Amino acid sequence: QVQLVESGGGVVQPGGSLRLSCAASGFTFSSYGMHWVRQAPGKGLEWVAYIRYDGNNEHYADSVKGRFTISRDNSKNTLYLQMNSLRDEDTAVYYCGKPIGGDPPQPFDSWGQGSLVTVSS
Amino acid sequence: DIQMTQSPSTLSASVGDRVTITCRASQSISSWLAWYQQKPGKAPKFLIYKASSLESGVPSRFSGSGSGTEFTLTISSLQPDDFATYYCQQYNTYSWTFGQGTKVEIK
Repeated sequence: QVQLVESGGGVVQPGGSLRLSCAASGFTFSSYGMHWVRQAPGKGLEWVAYIRYDGNNEHYADSVKGRFTISRDNSKNTLYLQMNSLRDEDTAVYYCGKPIGGDPPQPFDSWGQGSLVTVSS
Repeated sequence: DIQMTQSPSTLSASVGDRVTITCRASQSISSWLAWYQQKPGKAPKFLIYKASSLESGVPSRFSGSGSGTEFTLTISSLQPDDFATYYCQQYNTYSWTFGQGTKVEIK
């Protein structure tokens, strides 16, 4: 079955950087675009970024554009999110998500357990 | 960007009740709408796609309808396991957006 396991979260000061990873298994990772979605404490879901199956196309939410970079290593079945210039409002649980099959855009049928990022001085 | 607005924000209901949640898009999204259920401390669970197609394994008491800008999620007979927060999501464009959520509470 599909498994997505995030790691790399933690506490970071404003202006700092952090890289999240998402290890994928149970499906052909290199055939699917992948997403990052976040959820601030007590708030709703916010889509963050998408990367095409081959890594050659990316899309970002306006709130993170220019600061975050999504990437992937299909040889390692791993998705990444490099987060720079972090702000207090980036504090959230970050989930990786796998879309259903078919031409994008598509909704997400599998999610990781989430990784908490806290931006605080 | 397309904005998604859910109503109500909170809904109090009893086991056995029929429950309806509404989601409105700021512009037409055809039928490119999904619904998710989320319980505290857990990742969202995928329920419905293309406005009315039930994901495999989701109980048939869940149903979705609508197209264009107005959509509904209906739970025909609320069960104890259904008390949770529900989110709609549009996927009409490469900027997936969620509604703000509807919390279904025990009355």
